[in-house]
Amino acid sequence: DIQMTQSPSTLSASVGDRVTITCRASQSVSSWLAWYQQKPGRAPKLLIYKASTLESGVPSRFSGSGSGTEFTLTISSLQPDDFATYYCQQYSSYPYTFGQGTNLEIK
Amino acid sequence: QVQLRESGPGLVKPSETLSLTCTVSGGSISSYYWSWIRRPPGKGLEWIGYIYYSGSTNYNPSLKSRVTISIDTSRNHFSLNLSSVTAADTAVYFCARGTLGAALADSWGQGTLVTVSS
Repeated sequence: DIQMTQSPSTLSASVGDRVTITCRASQSVSSWLAWYQQKPGRAPKLLIYKASTLESGVPSRFSGSGSGTEFTLTISSLQPDDFATYYCQQYSSYPYTFGQGTNLEIK
Repeated sequence: QVQLRESGPGLVKPSETLSLTCTVSGGSISSYYWSWIRRPPGKGLEWIGYIYYSGSTNYNPSLKSRVTISIDTSRNHFSLNLSSVTAADTAVYFCARGTLGAALADSWGQGTLVTVSS
């Protein structure tokens, strides 16, 4: 299985900050990478797929980049609604695997 | 807008079978991919498997010997059976839909906690 490693595990930031979360794959996944957001007690939400394609309805302050084994999710200006846990997921090969999550909390 | 809701027992005894149903409303189950994903306490997400609306399935090899996913288009729901459970199967279980392919879960249920304990 392809191992996905996210960093940091926890990120403290303030409203208005620019934040970046990194996801590394144990082998190349090309651009077959997605990002999800999850809030406590809520259903996860697909944000980005194919490394950089924004899902319909997702605010443009979210962006994704990378290919191969290293990827980033950037939020250009944090809003109160963005404090949540973020997961990356590779879908280059089965079984699809996720990172362990990054908890984005209010500083 | 499609909504998914998981239902089933919250407590299952070791060695028994975990059975969950995902009811889909606001859309037909007769299209797309339908998946089960879980999150054990303190751990990340794990893909269990998916079923295409036509009935073809694909399971995580680590669970393949114990997993069955089925679909009932007449009732607009799909189901998960996981046999011979142990405490390691304790998790929040999510059902999800993939319209962009099997891998991308673009709509999810809120999840249901299943605890394996005697």
